[in-house]
Amino acid sequence: DQQVKQNSPSLSVQEGRISILNCDYTNSMFDYFLWYKKYPAEGPTFLISISSIKDKNEDGRFTVFLNKSAKHLSLHIVPSQPGDSAVYFCAASFNNAGNMLTFGGGTRLMVKP
Amino acid sequence: DAMVIQNPRYQVTQFGKPVTLSCSQTLNHNVMYWYQQKSSQAPKLLFHYYDKDFNNEADTPDNFQSRRPNTSFCFLDIRSPGLGDAAMYLCATSRWGVSNYGYTFGSGTRLTVV
Repeated sequence: DQQVKQNSPSLSVQEGRISILNCDYTNSMFDYFLWYKKYPAEGPTFLISISSIKDKNEDGRFTVFLNKSAKHLSLHIVPSQPGDSAVYFCAASFNNAGNMLTFGGGTRLMVKP
Repeated sequence: DAMVIQNPRYQVTQFGKPVTLSCSQTLNHNVMYWYQQKSSQAPKLLFHYYDKDFNNEADTPDNFQSRRPNTSFCFLDIRSPGLGDAAMYLCATSRWGVSNYGYTFGSGTRLTVV
C-alpha cells in the first residue's frame, strides 16, 4: 500500500507560468515532508521541506503548502524555468523514526520555452 | 566538496552472476541507505545502516545483501541477479535525527541484467 502518492506522472508548463505539483499521503502520523528534484542520470537532490506544524514554507521561487486535514501537499514553482524540467519526488517521514523517508512515485515536469 | 559517490554509474551483469555496487561518502553521516528504483516508481528502501547496525526491510529479498566496513563505505551485493533486479540503485546518507534536509543521494548505479 503506497503511503505517499503523486497521482500525476507528468506535467507540462510554459516558461514563466506557475507549476503546481501535488502529493497525497495516507498516514496521519507523517510529520515532516520534503521535495526532491531529480535530473536524468543523477541522484535526487533536496529542494524544500515543511514540518507539520506549518502550512507553508517558501524558498525563492519554490513554495510548499501543506494541508494536514486533506493529507495533501503541493509544490509551487513561480515562475517556471526550462531548467526546472526534472522529476520531482515528494517524501514523508515520522519523527519517531528518525528521518526515514517514504517516497512518492514522482512527477515529471517539463517546462517549455 | 562533501558528497556521496556511487560506482560504477552503469553496470551490466549476467543473469545469476554476483555483482557488487559501491557507495562512499565524505559527509561523515552515520546513516547510509540503499534504495532500488524502477522506472516511474517510487524509490524502494532495501536496507539501511545506522552506524554499524544493519536494518533490513521486511520485503527485501534474501538475494540482496549489504556490507558497511566503515563509516565512509557501504556495498550492495546482489548474489544472483535476475532480470527483475534491473533498476537504478540509489545510495543515500543522513545524520540521524536531523531531518531538515533529509538525505544526500549519490548519482545512482543503473544495473542491467542480461
